[in-house]
Amino acid sequence: NAGVTQTPKFQVLKTGQSMTLQCAQDMNHNSMYWYRQDPGMGLRLIYYSASEGTTDKGEVPNGYNVSRLNKREFSLRLESAAPSQTSVYFCASSGSLSSYEQYFGPGTRLTVT
Amino acid sequence: DQQVKQNSPSLSVQEGRISILNCDYTNSMFDYFLWYKKYPAEGPTFLISISSIKDKNEDGRFTVFLNKSAKHLSLHIVPSQPGDSAVYFCAAIPWAGSYQLTFGKGTKLSVIP
Repeated sequence: NAGVTQTPKFQVLKTGQSMTLQCAQDMNHNSMYWYRQDPGMGLRLIYYSASEGTTDKGEVPNGYNVSRLNKREFSLRLESAAPSQTSVYFCASSGSLSSYEQYFGPGTRLTVT
Repeated sequence: DQQVKQNSPSLSVQEGRISILNCDYTNSMFDYFLWYKKYPAEGPTFLISISSIKDKNEDGRFTVFLNKSAKHLSLHIVPSQPGDSAVYFCAAIPWAGSYQLTFGKGTKLSVIP
């Protein structure tokens, strides 16, 4: 049981480049989330997917798109990276409506120059 | 506007003593509260939670207290161990079935041997 996995672990982009962060969970969870964490800040929700086939905006969605590819996978896309998107990105999942606990992946450290 | 506040960025405690981490919230709609622990270069891991209908929840060395009238919760770790050194995030969820965790900025706990 790997839990929540994220790829890549590290990435450096130039301003204007695009990339997709991948996330997969093997816990048969219904809900998945993308967060970003900046220095001295808590985690902020970018997008979430309550269940397969649905996605919704979180607190800081601008500049990002998401795809819930299937129940296991939830990807985050930066279409045109900006230095303000330099951050650590965490994917998480949770089981059901009655489960508030979210399980996090190890994170992707992204630097945009 | 920060709805979940952890006003102490850092805390140092001697090994074997009690660690008390505090969290305040402003949104009276919050229904459920969680504490997450985060080591460097890892994702946050769930530690303990409490429902708004309770005022205390205990799990081994970890106890969370909730004072709804003061909109305040605290995490007690007794006895503190060097392995407890990490960043601790307080988080809240607004209502049953909501997926959106709101995180505080975190408190870095250092347990000195």
